[in-house]
Amino acid sequence: GAGVSQSPRYKVAKRGQDVALRCDPISGHVSLFWYQQALGQGPEFLTYFQNEAQLDKSGLPSDRFFAERPEGSVSTLKIQRTQQEDSAVYLCASSAQGAVGNEQFFGPGTRLTVL
Amino acid sequence: GENVEQHPSTLSVQEGDSAVIKCTYSDSASNYFPWYKQELGKRPQLIIDIRSNVGEKKDQRIAVTLNKTAKHFSLHITETQPEDSAVYFCAAMYSGGYNKLIFGAGTRLAVHP
Repeated sequence: GAGVSQSPRYKVAKRGQDVALRCDPISGHVSLFWYQQALGQGPEFLTYFQNEAQLDKSGLPSDRFFAERPEGSVSTLKIQRTQQEDSAVYLCASSAQGAVGNEQFFGPGTRLTVL
Repeated sequence: GENVEQHPSTLSVQEGDSAVIKCTYSDSASNYFPWYKQELGKRPQLIIDIRSNVGEKKDQRIAVTLNKTAKHFSLHITETQPEDSAVYFCAAMYSGGYNKLIFGAGTRLAVHP
């Protein structure tokens, strides 16, 4: 079956531009996470959705970062006025609910380069 | 805050040897510990996980051990093969809510033929 997909796979932005990154989770998965992975580092949590509700946004680095999941499926991570330090791979993950649903399935990521 | 330390950062072994990666975590209430393998430019993929009600789990050449008292868990790969070469990440699920994962910094494993 289809896994988590993300688009675009690569994005180059000039400093100050706004970008939007899309995540299509596995169908039926209630939970959706966004992580940021800097070069040579492990993923770092950004934000979490349960259906359409954003229940945790404690990892968003600044108010330039905004995420939404209006219909409880596709999610978009938006970064306004991009800075060079925003350059990273942005990973989306989804999981089902329940005791056996702890596994998070990751997408391929979007590599953002800010010039 | 919550933290996961992972060692070593790089590991080089000969084909057929064993490899061990170790992690410690700070959140004593964590109850789920997955290990992910990430090949260059690819997505992280779950290879094995363990929950806090067991001390060890094995799947073919891969095993994970958990010591909750010491807040320590390890990945063991036996009979390593060149295709095991990748970056491995340990993680702990934060108990404070919503199942977010706290990742270690990763171990780059190189298996030489």
